[in-house]
Amino acid sequence: SQQGEEDPQALSIQEGENATMNCSYKTSINNLQWYRQNSGRGLVHLILIRSNEREKHSGRLRVTLDTSKKSSSLLITASRAADTASYFCATDAVTGTYKYIFGTGTRLKVLA
Amino acid sequence: DTEVTQTPKHLVMGMTNKKSLKCEQHMGHRAMYWYKQKAKKPPELMFVYSYEKLSINESVPSRFSPECPNSSLLNLHLHALQPEDSALYLCASSQGRGLIAETQYFGPGTRLLVL
Repeated sequence: SQQGEEDPQALSIQEGENATMNCSYKTSINNLQWYRQNSGRGLVHLILIRSNEREKHSGRLRVTLDTSKKSSSLLITASRAADTASYFCATDAVTGTYKYIFGTGTRLKVLA
Repeated sequence: DTEVTQTPKHLVMGMTNKKSLKCEQHMGHRAMYWYKQKAKKPPELMFVYSYEKLSINESVPSRFSPECPNSSLLNLHLHALQPEDSALYLCASSQGRGLIAETQYFGPGTRLLVL
């Protein structure tokens, strides 16, 4: 089963609007990361948030982490057409063995 | 150099062929990864190399054979693949030992089609 599940699966917004994506996970984690993937390309790391952090910013990105709810959100403000991509959360799992699993992903489309 | 490069970009092979995917990084990273990604799905971890030694094999069929000739290179040898193995194969690297979730740097991928 997936460690990280994201919603919505797909999101379509107008340029200039904000986009929010959510990630839920099942086990305790060391950190959670968000990646972006343009169609058929490699993933690009966006931001890492550690389990003892609650919020992190990077440019137009804001990530929150709620370990009690086992969830994270990624907010992209003032979206641009170039933000059109799939966004994945990725988590490790504190189970004694290495497990690094990507969430199901949110496909974001920003309309110009 | 902050790039991970992968060759070839596209590969079409028959089920009896033997081919190899290549990945290279010059960032001094000591962990390298192979992922498989099907359309509209997240990447699935296949293998992790840490300091040139295979540290994780996620129960991948033996028709996929990884190799790490040195700290900058990672190969994936393919033999007797099935059509369901068609996917985007992504290579990544990270700075540490690959034992905890580290920021990974991805290559652009090789799109593989098995006929």
